[in-house]
Amino acid sequence: ETGVTQTPRHLVMGMTNKKSLKCEQHLGHNAMYWYKQSAKKPLELMFVYSLEERVENNSVPSRFSPECPNSSHLFLHLHTLQPEDSALYLCASSQALQFKEQYFGPGTRLTVT
Amino acid sequence: LAKTTQPISMDSYEGQEVNITCSHNNIATNDYITWYQQFPSQGPRFIIQGYKTKVTNEVASLFIPADRKSSTLSLPRVSLSDTAVYYCLVAGNNAGNMLTFGGGTRLMVKP
Repeated sequence: ETGVTQTPRHLVMGMTNKKSLKCEQHLGHNAMYWYKQSAKKPLELMFVYSLEERVENNSVPSRFSPECPNSSHLFLHLHTLQPEDSALYLCASSQALQFKEQYFGPGTRLTVT
Repeated sequence: LAKTTQPISMDSYEGQEVNITCSHNNIATNDYITWYQQFPSQGPRFIIQGYKTKVTNEVASLFIPADRKSSTLSLPRVSLSDTAVYYCLVAGNNAGNMLTFGGGTRLMVKP
């Protein structure tokens, strides 16, 4: 595997379910990010991790819980989501904590029913 | 982070050169200008980055005037597969304030 991978690519879940999104980067980067992209809206930064420490939490509801066990893996734990949380969730990584050059995964298309 | 302004959409035809301009009047001294391409249901893909003057790679060219308050992404001889959303991002080496991608420019290449 090369680059940034995300699993699953598609996920349908009910509002009472608990699920997790996984991201893995094979680039040797040490910063990772979660973004949300809703239909016809700009990308929204959700969380930032640098050297496995959370740096930013952009006022994201607590029903989204990130986890970064090491510099190559990033998880987004989901519970009691709302239909408006349906979106494309993108993971990105970069060499050092910076925004000028990031590498994105293919995303997970989440549908909350 | 400097706010960016781009046209919402552009149309072009195969084989033409396409120029997409981004305004970033509040660009900071240590900010770089980066362009990303995004296809539907995929993550953005890094295209090109520059600080000043002109940068060229195998995909595109980036023109940045001396005052750096704008930049132009140039795509030579576009094809149908270049139909995508193009984002201009201005950011530096530090995380700084929370990042916001703009709305991007939706490029439609027609046969």
